[in-house]
Amino acid sequence: GAVVSQHPSRVICKSGTSVKIECRSLDFQATTMFWYRQFPKQSLMLMATSNEGSKATYEQGVEKDKFLINHASLTLSTLTVTSAHPEDSSFYICSARAQQGAGNTIYFGEGSWLTVV
Amino acid sequence: GENVEQHPSTLSVQEGDSAVIKCTYSDSASNYFPWYKQELGKGPQLIIDIRSNVGEKKDQRIAVTLNKTAKHFSLHITETQPEDSAVYFCAASRRAYGQNFVFGPGTRLSVLP
Repeated sequence: GAVVSQHPSRVICKSGTSVKIECRSLDFQATTMFWYRQFPKQSLMLMATSNEGSKATYEQGVEKDKFLINHASLTLSTLTVTSAHPEDSSFYICSARAQQGAGNTIYFGEGSWLTVV
Repeated sequence: GENVEQHPSTLSVQEGDSAVIKCTYSDSASNYFPWYKQELGKGPQLIIDIRSNVGEKKDQRIAVTLNKTAKHFSLHITETQPEDSAVYFCAASRRAYGQNFVFGPGTRLSVLP
């Protein structure tokens, strides 16, 4: 199947700083990528939909100025958590849509553990 | 919008037994239904999917069935093994460009040796 690479896998940052997480589709072009947040033992919560070359669409309740998303190319989307606080500590997962024939399949990255201290 | 429910939330089976996880969806326009397996600390991995023009799909020990009329679909795992232990998520989507998936809340499957 298609491969989505996410980096870093784990990051620790100090409160008040910013941290960037990268999501790359390695063997396909992804015009659409998605960013999720997952708390322990819970399902994936969609944060935003990232479209190449345009502004991301954020879900209700997600602060767009805090979670900056950039989708500058067909293989790369980045999520920047600005002015991070301990409550931002979570597992962040990206996914990318691979168009296959008349349908579409979503592949996930391995996730990034963010710990804000 | 779409709403996906998933049952049970936890499931324990003995190694070698079968496991069944069921999902229901609300949007009759949804026509693509993937299943993902998530191991602890990792991203979800696609294990099988089904499109609305098919009623059943099988891949070795894994099968998925779809009932469009009743708007539910199920994951069947036969001859379970300890490595099948994980959280499983179902999802539903319209097969249209730009449509996101709506995920179920997940089922934590434990296969007991």
